[in-house]
Amino acid sequence: GENVEQHPSTLSVQEGDSAVIKCTYSDSASNYFPWYKQELGKRPQLIIDIRSNVGEKKDQRIAVTLNKTAKHFSLHITETQPEDSAVYFCAALSGSARQLTFGSGTQLTVLP
Amino acid sequence: EAEVAQSPRYKITEKSQAVAFWCDPISGHATLYWYRQILGQGPELLVQFQDESVVDDSQLPKDRFSAERLKGVDSTLKIQPAELGDSAMYLCASSPPLDRLETQYFGPGTRLLVL
Repeated sequence: GENVEQHPSTLSVQEGDSAVIKCTYSDSASNYFPWYKQELGKRPQLIIDIRSNVGEKKDQRIAVTLNKTAKHFSLHITETQPEDSAVYFCAALSGSARQLTFGSGTQLTVLP
Repeated sequence: EAEVAQSPRYKITEKSQAVAFWCDPISGHATLYWYRQILGQGPELLVQFQDESVVDDSQLPKDRFSAERLKGVDSTLKIQPAELGDSAMYLCASSPPLDRLETQYFGPGTRLLVL
């Protein structure tokens, strides 16, 4: 089955700096990669996603890049704000049953 | 904006008791998932339904867990008997049918504490 590894597990940045979270996946057939933000005690919320036929996607301060050859994808947050503090999960969708395999999460802390 | 509904939001129970969680997916979403999320980890799939049929329950501890989606709409996840190690967040998610490449939308979860 699919295996997703996520790094780093914790990340602290100063407000206004950029943050980068990286994930690798094992199943070359995976073709959809969402990123979720989860605040403490709340549901995971989709913040951006990318399909395997696209190398990069941007939405305001958030961008995701995908390298299919290397089987890794990354989340980039620019001009970070304190409200960006949360746990971020990457995931990969694979298999005929269309199942998501999640990374272990990154606790992002934006220091004011 | 339509959302996945779950209840209860919190549940405290003693070990060996039975608990049940309910999920109502976004209208029109044929696929429904139950996940378990242990604090500090990513969600792990327990069971997946397509309409009323189970697509995958390979990770569901069937000696104590059961799930059903009788009419292909809402779903119930049951644990009997509950064990201390079952303490976790139980998340329900839904998505359009499998032939559409779209993401899953999560409910608010049920936080279970087994004493």
